[in-house]
Amino acid sequence: SQQGEEDPQALSIQEGENATMNCSYKTSINNLQWYRQNSGRGLVHLILIRSNEREKHSGRLRVTLDTSKKSSSLLITASRAADTASYFCATDDENNDMRFGAGTRLTVKP
Amino acid sequence: DARVTQTPRDKVTEMGQEVTMRCQPILGHNTVFWYRQTMMQGLELLAYFRNRAPLDDSGMPKDRFSAEMPDATLATLKIQPSEPRDSAVYFCASGLMGTDGYTFGSGTRLTVV
Repeated sequence: SQQGEEDPQALSIQEGENATMNCSYKTSINNLQWYRQNSGRGLVHLILIRSNEREKHSGRLRVTLDTSKKSSSLLITASRAADTASYFCATDDENNDMRFGAGTRLTVKP
Repeated sequence: DARVTQTPRDKVTEMGQEVTMRCQPILGHNTVFWYRQTMMQGLELLAYFRNRAPLDDSGMPKDRFSAEMPDATLATLKIQPSEPRDSAVYFCASGLMGTDGYTFGSGTRLTVV
């Protein structure tokens, strides 16, 4: 069964705009991770945020985590056409397994 | 860069045949996951191993699927007999528990006709 649920399911923006994707989950977690998948390829790890962290940055990526609301957000600033992909959140829970949500399909128009 | 290697890249087989998918995790990684991805179900966790020991395979149809890790350099996922509903992309991922994320292979695209 899936743990995280991403919102929105699809997002279309213009190059240069910011993109925000949200993830909600159900159980207690050790950490939450965001991955990107280009069509037909394997997933690529973007960033990991631990349960005792509230915000983390990596380049143009900003991730927040609110454990009281069991939610996380991924912000991509100054988006580029190359950012077009599906984005998934994955939760590493007390059992140390890693379950993914359904993903957000991001399209960045040139 | 170190990679997770999955073979074969593509597999077309007839219903009822046995299918074996292989994964070579990154050397030193102690955790290996198997996932299945379809349009309808998304990414489903099938099984995972830590230090070669199976920890959870509750996501697998036990009657036809089996996952093993005969040594630290090889993980296998076997389907016997295969059915058309098994058609999907199967991903393997490896990593070190508690560290910064997992590395995915390129996947095996399985088509059962």
